[in-house]
Amino acid sequence: GAVVSQHPSWVICKSGTSVKIECRSLDFQATTMFWYRQFPKQSLMLMATSNEGSKATYEQGVEKDKFLINHASLTLSTLTVTSAHPEDSSFYICSGPSGGGQFFGPGTRLTVL
Amino acid sequence: QKEVEQDPGPLSVPEGAIVSLNCTYSNSAFQYFMWYRQYSRKGPELLMYTYSSGNKEDGRFTAQVDKSSKYISLFIRDSQPSDSATYLCAMVTGGTSYGKLTFGQGTILTVHP
Repeated sequence: GAVVSQHPSWVICKSGTSVKIECRSLDFQATTMFWYRQFPKQSLMLMATSNEGSKATYEQGVEKDKFLINHASLTLSTLTVTSAHPEDSSFYICSGPSGGGQFFGPGTRLTVL
Repeated sequence: QKEVEQDPGPLSVPEGAIVSLNCTYSNSAFQYFMWYRQYSRKGPELLMYTYSSGNKEDGRFTAQVDKSSKYISLFIRDSQPSDSATYLCAMVTGGTSYGKLTFGQGTILTVHP
C-alpha cells in the first residue's frame, strides 16, 4: 500500500502557542488529503479536507481560524493548531487516497499543557 | 441514528478462531467500503477495500458486502494474537476511495493464546 508520514510523532507545547504538523505522501501524489482527530477510545472524526492549490474545506464545528491547513504541494499538507489549549490535546492523523484505498499516516500526539 | 453502526465489543477469542466483525449503515449513497486495523497509538492500517456486493478475499481476511441489507462484514480466519487491535469499518459515498470517510465506532478485538 501507499505510504504516508507525519512529523512530529509527538509534541508537547504550552497553552497559547502554535504547533505545526506535517503530513507527507512518500510514494504517491495527492491533490486531496484529509485531517482527522481522535480522542482516547473513540473513532476518527474528520476535521477538514486539504486541497492542493486551494482552500481547505472544514467540517461543521471545526474552527478554520484555529486549525490552519496548507496544501503546498502534491506531497505535503500541513495542519497548524494556533493558540493551542489543553482541550486541543488529541491524536491528529492525516490520510491520502491512492489507488483503491485511503492510507493513513502514523499520527501525531499533541499534548497542550 | 448514526450513519454507520459498529458493535464496539470488546470481542475476545482464542487463537485460531474465526472472527466476524460487522457494520450496518443507513445511507444508501455509501458505495465504497474499507476495513482498517488500528493498534494503540498508531494510525489505521488499510486491510481491505471493496465496492461490490459479494465477497472479497485476501489471505486470512474476507470482506463481505450486502448492499441490499446495508451490511458489511470482515472475517478473519485462523486469528492470531497479533490480530489484537481495534477494527474500523469506513465508507465513502460515490464509487471511489477519493472522498470523505465515515467511520464506525470500532470493535476492540483480543485474541488470546
